[in-house]
Amino acid sequence: ETGVTQTPRHLVMGMTNKKSLKCEQHLGHNAMYWYKQSAKKPLELMFVYSLEERVENNSVPSRFSPECPNSSHLFLHLHTLQPEDSALYLCASSQRGVGDTQYFGPGTRLTVL
Amino acid sequence: KNEVEQSPQNLTAQEGEFITINCSYSVGISALHWLQQHPGGGIVSLFMLSSGKKKHGRLIATINIQEKHSSLHITASHPRDSAVYICALLGGGADGLTFGKGTHLIIQP
Repeated sequence: ETGVTQTPRHLVMGMTNKKSLKCEQHLGHNAMYWYKQSAKKPLELMFVYSLEERVENNSVPSRFSPECPNSSHLFLHLHTLQPEDSALYLCASSQRGVGDTQYFGPGTRLTVL
Repeated sequence: KNEVEQSPQNLTAQEGEFITINCSYSVGISALHWLQQHPGGGIVSLFMLSSGKKKHGRLIATINIQEKHSSLHITASHPRDSAVYICALLGGGADGLTFGKGTHLIIQP
């Protein structure tokens, strides 16, 4: 399997649930990203990991918790979300950092009830 | 903060037409990306350019650094080109990419 994969593709959760989004890249890249895309808004960068270390956290609420156990895997742990957190969550990877071409996963469509 | 403006926001055209999508920004950048997002969410990076012009198949991207403007052109458009096209800026004071809101393109057969 090649490219960037994300699971699940769709997720519906209640505000009291805890769930996790998973991203895996098979490209040998060293940087991985989480983005949020809400309806009618530009993509928003949430987190950047480079060589498994978080290098950027764009003032994301603590109910979103990222984890990067190795350079191929990235998780986004979700707990006590709000309905306004419903969005498409996209993972991407690049060879080194933000200056390189980013390869995107298909996204997870999250609905918070 | 870099202000990114894409135009038009929505564009419907007939198959075969020449398409132009524009991206303007307010602060100098080091590079600009054009991305394509199909219904369902998947994003594909089309071009990354910092000067001049790049061509890939029926797609052409140009950038004018002095005028802070980039265009994406599609020649001989086809219904499968229907997607949202997003420009993303690198640099200009931001640590990561700054994204435009996208241009929603529909090509009718």
